[in-house]
Amino acid sequence: KNEVEQSPQNLTAQEGEFITINCSYSVGISALHWLQQHPGGGIVSLFMLSSGKKKHGRLIATINIQEKHSSLHITASHPRDSAVYICAVLSYNTDKLIFGTGTRLQVFP
Amino acid sequence: GAGVSQSPSNKVTEKGKDVELRCDPISGHTALYWYRQSLGQGLEFLIYFQGNSAPDKSGLPSDRFSAERTGGSVSTLTIQRTQQEDSAVYLCASSLEGSGLRSNQPQHFGDGTRLSIL
Repeated sequence: KNEVEQSPQNLTAQEGEFITINCSYSVGISALHWLQQHPGGGIVSLFMLSSGKKKHGRLIATINIQEKHSSLHITASHPRDSAVYICAVLSYNTDKLIFGTGTRLQVFP
Repeated sequence: GAGVSQSPSNKVTEKGKDVELRCDPISGHTALYWYRQSLGQGLEFLIYFQGNSAPDKSGLPSDRFSAERTGGSVSTLTIQRTQQEDSAVYLCASSLEGSGLRSNQPQHFGDGTRLSIL
């Protein structure tokens, strides 16, 4: 069983829809990252959080440390949001990032 | 630009050859990481440099893999006697300091080197 699990693996949406991507983890962490990987392969860090909630534009990330769960929400989705979204946790014990396998999002106009 | 720069962006080579991949981190970033993303797989940690400390090599998959970081800046990942299973995208990231308990610094990723072993 992977230490970081994401769901769904694939997601399609119509432009304007509200999107939620989930991440569950089984290790102790000091932080959690949400990353966006574009079709060309480049990776952008969207959020790093260790508690509560962060918002940037149409993106919202939440984390529940007790439940070992995080969600990434996209409001008013747009085709340019189409990408792979990766959850990564910073292991408290090893000080290394452990990655989920990603969620492939396609937003259609 | 001011981001993490990797070269080459693509590399195709024959099985058994050695390859060198380069990473130029963001100026002033003391921590540098190498990751690998194989087809259909998630990202996998390879090696981590932090300042002048000995690198954390615990993620290197075999002794054919090695990495150096000269002068605390540019890093080179070397794969000797390449095998087909080495085909992957190799990503480099840097941060202001190591992503540990005392740090709140995110990692900035390069665009990666797509390595294909024929």
